[in-house]
Amino acid sequence: GAVVSQHPSWVICKSGTSVKIECRSLDFQATTMFWYRQFPKQSLMLMATSNEGSKATYEQGVEKDKFLINHASLTLSTLTVTSAHPEDSSFYICSALLGAYGYTFGSGTRLTVV
Amino acid sequence: DAKTTQPPSMDCAEGRAANLPCNHSTISGNEYVYWYRQIHSQGPQYIIHGLKNNETNEMASLIITEDRKSSTLILPHATLRDTAVYYCIVRVATGNQFYFGTGTSLTVIP
Repeated sequence: GAVVSQHPSWVICKSGTSVKIECRSLDFQATTMFWYRQFPKQSLMLMATSNEGSKATYEQGVEKDKFLINHASLTLSTLTVTSAHPEDSSFYICSALLGAYGYTFGSGTRLTVV
Repeated sequence: DAKTTQPPSMDCAEGRAANLPCNHSTISGNEYVYWYRQIHSQGPQYIIHGLKNNETNEMASLIITEDRKSSTLILPHATLRDTAVYYCIVRVATGNQFYFGTGTSLTVIP
């Protein structure tokens, strides 16, 4: 089946540094990918929609300059958390659209900013 | 996309059927009902989806009421590995974004 590979699965970084998270579609082409953030004991919150070859669309309240999204190919989307701070610590999940069958999700990245 | 309402938590005895309800009273005619689940610290996993007919696959059954205002996900023989948060989402088939509600935290008890 359609698989999305997300890397890294966990990362610890120092406050003020930037972190890049990769999301790859392994056996299909993903024109559209999505990035979610999930805080402990909360639901997934959609951050942005990533379209191959064009600018990402961000949900209201999400800082586009802080969460940089690049979707340069049909199999790769990246999320860069710039100048990370402890409040950015969260579980980040990417997904790809599979048409009527909904979405396939990556395994998530646990970001801890110290 | 229509909003959904689910109970925050449920328990189920191992080996018994788990019936997870979802209300989507404002669903429109072209919106599908999707069910996903999320095991702790993993990405969500697709379970099943349907429009108006009942659906069954190797994981679960989906029962949609005739007026489509509610649905029930049935896990016929719950195991400990079914302990997870279950999300009910409604969305048009050609729609883009998926918005997650609060889901139901299912605990399967030995």
